[in-house]
Amino acid sequence: GENVEQHPSTLSVQEGDSAVIKCTYSDSASNYFPWYKQELGKRPQLIIDIRSNVGEKKDQRIAVTLNKTAKHFSLHITETQPEDSAVYFCAALDSNYQLIWGAGTKLIIKP
Amino acid sequence: EAQVTQNPRYLITVTGKKLTVTCSQNMNHEYMSWYRQDPGLGLRQIYYSMNVEVTDKGDVPEGYKVSRKEKRNFPLILESPSPNQTSLYFCASSHGGTDTQYFGPGTRLTVL
Repeated sequence: GENVEQHPSTLSVQEGDSAVIKCTYSDSASNYFPWYKQELGKRPQLIIDIRSNVGEKKDQRIAVTLNKTAKHFSLHITETQPEDSAVYFCAALDSNYQLIWGAGTKLIIKP
Repeated sequence: EAQVTQNPRYLITVTGKKLTVTCSQNMNHEYMSWYRQDPGLGLRQIYYSMNVEVTDKGDVPEGYKVSRKEKRNFPLILESPSPNQTSLYFCASSHGGTDTQYFGPGTRLTVL
C-alpha cells in the first residue's frame, strides 16, 4: 500500500526567510496530494493541494511542486511570518481512495 | 453554517466500557473519515466511508467500529476501550476523496 514520508520533522526558520517541506510517496497510482496546516490546539485545515496532471501550484506565499517521476512533492512557503508557525501535514490519495498522511513537520518561525 | 460536529469533545472513561463518538456534517458530503492523532505519529486513518452503507478500513481499524446509515452521520464505536486508545480523535468529511476535507473540532479521549 501507499506510504508517505515527510521531512524534516521540525524546521526552524528566521522570519522572512523561506521554508521547504518535502514528502515522498510510494504508490505511483496516487493522483492527489493535499497539504494541511494544524495550529496548536486546532483542527487541520487545507492550505493547498495539487493533482497529478499539474507540476506546480501557487497561492500567494505558498506553493506546491510535484515530481511524479521521482514520486515526491514539496511545500514552499516564502516570506515566512509568525502566523505560519504550525504543524504541516502532507498526504497522498491512494488507488483505494484512502488518504495516507505524512507524520507532520513542526514549523517554527523565529522573530 | 457549514460544519462538522463531534460529540463529546472530551471523555474520560474506563477500560471495557463501550462508548460512541458521534460525527455529523451538514454539507451533504459523500466522503467521511475518522482519524486518531498521537504525538509524533501524525494523523492515522481509522475508517473511511465513500458513501452511505460503504465503509473501509484505514491504517488502524483494530478495536473500532463505524457505521454509515445516513449520509450526514458517521459514528465511531469503541466496543471495549483500552488505554492504548487514549488519543485525540478527528472526524472529517469531503465531497470526494480528491476534495478538501473539513475536520471536526476533535474529541480527546482518555481510557483509564
